[in-house]
Amino acid sequence: AQTVTQSQPEMSVQEAETVTLSCTYDTSESDYYLFWYKQPPSRQMILVIRQEAYKQQNATENRFSVNFQKAAKSFSLKISDSQLGDAAMYFCAYRSVEEGGSQGNLIFGKGTKLSVKP
Amino acid sequence: ETGVTQTPRHLVMGMTNKKSLKCEQHLGHNAMYWYKQSAKKPLELMFVYNFKEQTENNSVPSRFSPECPNSSHLFLHLHTLQPEDSALYLCASSQDGVNTEAFFGQGTRLTVV
Repeated sequence: AQTVTQSQPEMSVQEAETVTLSCTYDTSESDYYLFWYKQPPSRQMILVIRQEAYKQQNATENRFSVNFQKAAKSFSLKISDSQLGDAAMYFCAYRSVEEGGSQGNLIFGKGTKLSVKP
Repeated sequence: ETGVTQTPRHLVMGMTNKKSLKCEQHLGHNAMYWYKQSAKKPLELMFVYNFKEQTENNSVPSRFSPECPNSSHLFLHLHTLQPEDSALYLCASSQDGVNTEAFFGQGTRLTVV
């Protein structure tokens, strides 16, 4: 079974600075998708960025980028020029593409609470 | 408005009560999910429906009973719950295809007293 680990329960960053959230995962599959979701106090889970495992190029979305290291099974999220609105829980998630009952289901880590200081 | 609406937002119920959580998606998706979010634990997938058919039940106790009358609506019927069932219950939907993102509702904060 796949697992997702986020080793940082809480992180803090100064406004306008850069912060990196770590995520590692365990899988025997060669093809899969990885996601970062953001959950602000409103509780709405919002997709931040996605990475396809067969693509070597790291995904980027404006101020958000990932460092995907497939061999190391690492998928960290970098937030540049942090803003107050970035304060939220961030969840790393894994989705299998293999045939079988778990295909398409998201497996989440425990989350990292990010605080942004003005 | 995110496209996935959950009601109620908050619910307090006694252990002998029967209540239902409702989820509605306006996105035309064909898959819907129930997740349980407890403090300091990963989100736990409870149930999955694809085209109204339940495709996964992750060993969820029978006091939780899902219902999916059509591809736009998903219910979670609750009865004789325990205090440890208190959590945030999130509904999500997605279009068939693993590269598509899941869209989440704002959740129902459930407290069992």
